[in-house]
Amino acid sequence: QVQLQQWGAGLLKPSETLSLTCAVYGGSFSGYYWNWIRQPPGKGLEWIGEINHSGSTNYNPSLKSRVSISVDTSKKQFSLKLNSVTAADTGVYYCARGGDIIVISSAYYYMDVWGKGTTVTVSS
Amino acid sequence: AIQLTQSPSSLSASVGDRVTITCRASQDIRDDLGWYQQKPGEAPKLLIYAVSSLQSGVPSRFSGSGSGTDFSLTISGLQPEDFATYYCLQDYNYPRTFGQGTKVEIK
Repeated sequence: QVQLQQWGAGLLKPSETLSLTCAVYGGSFSGYYWNWIRQPPGKGLEWIGEINHSGSTNYNPSLKSRVSISVDTSKKQFSLKLNSVTAADTGVYYCARGGDIIVISSAYYYMDVWGKGTTVTVSS
Repeated sequence: AIQLTQSPSSLSASVGDRVTITCRASQDIRDDLGWYQQKPGEAPKLLIYAVSSLQSGVPSRFSGSGSGTDFSLTISGLQPEDFATYYCLQDYNYPRTFGQGTKVEIK
């Protein structure tokens, strides 16, 4: 059974860099997209970006200038860095496995395994 | 970015009720849509992908339909464990976007 375990600093000051890591246990690392999603307090989900095992990334344009996702395939880990944080970056950050499934010759995306979430608070 | 608008934002229902949540996309997304359930303090859980394909282990009372710009999630016979917030997610193009969520509460 695949599990994602995530960790990182939970309290940051404005202008600091948010840094989170997610480790993959019990499953393959290749062939999937490794995602970061966040959720401000009391609000909905926002996709931050993704990386595959070869290091190819896609980012949300709303965060692209501040975000970086990297991968360490030897450790089966991927990481998120978000620089110049403000209070608006406060929330729960989730890592998630994404994949494509073929249904009648078309590929469809899913996020089926999620980490438990890390609460990040930005406050002076 | 493609916007997904869910309605209603919240609803109250009783155990056993049939509940339908809709998700409208700002442009045609074919059938590139999934549904996720989130309970308080927990990570989201995949329910449905490709509009109507049920994820393994998800009860058959959950069903999805739609195509193009209009989609729906139906729960036939609401159970106590179904009270949660539901999100649609489009994977037609980047950035992937979620609907704002629909909270299903106990009446």
